Amino acid sequence: GQQVMQIPQYQHVQEGEDFTTYCNSSTTLSNIQWYKQRPGGHPVFLIQLVKSGEVKKQKRLTFQFGEAKKNSSLHITATQTTDVGTYFCAGPRTGNQFYFGTGTSLTVIP
Amino acid sequence: DVKVTQSSRYLVKRTGEKVFLECVQDMDHENMFWYRQDPGLGLRLIYFSYDVKMKEKGDIPEGYSVSREKKERFSLILESASTNQTSMYLCASSLQGRYESGANVLTFGAGSRLTVL
Repeated sequence: GQQVMQIPQYQHVQEGEDFTTYCNSSTTLSNIQWYKQRPGGHPVFLIQLVKSGEVKKQKRLTFQFGEAKKNSSLHITATQTTDVGTYFCAGPRTGNQFYFGTGTSLTVIP
Repeated sequence: DVKVTQSSRYLVKRTGEKVFLECVQDMDHENMFWYRQDPGLGLRLIYFSYDVKMKEKGDIPEGYSVSREKKERFSLILESASTNQTSMYLCASSLQGRYESGANVLTFGAGSRLTVL
């Protein structure tokens, strides 16, 4: 069945470096969502992308949805220690359910 | 502040015990979900419900059952807990509707970390 693959699984960066996580689907997605889970916390919704080629920004975070609507990325510019956590992408399945990617765990080294 | 509340943050149970995980939301959401989170495997859907007394199996329903007697409450039941059910369990809810309206955004509870000895 349809699944969403996410890479890398882990990423360690020095504070101030950039970070990117990628999400890929074998099928076209109608939309894609991104969530952030802080250590010890629960996933919190960040953003939803709907349109082909869409780019959205939230301060230092830039989200992209591919032209074919099969991939997406989250890029963080100049990481800070507050960015630490696991970032998940989620693609829709039937009804209001979602396939979640395996997540990218970001560690920021001060 | 809207909330999804899970009754127990940490539980320790013995193999063979019956386990109840309770989830309550105060947002009048139609959809409710139970996920299991394990390192390297992401979030896997156990069961979901679109309405009271309605339930559907997700990807890993074996060993679990659910109950939704009221709109705001969705319970996950482990009839006979086993060690391979040691995990973090996350409840979530969302509005029904089209994604363009943002209706399908998931709100998660804080999670219930279950250890089965």
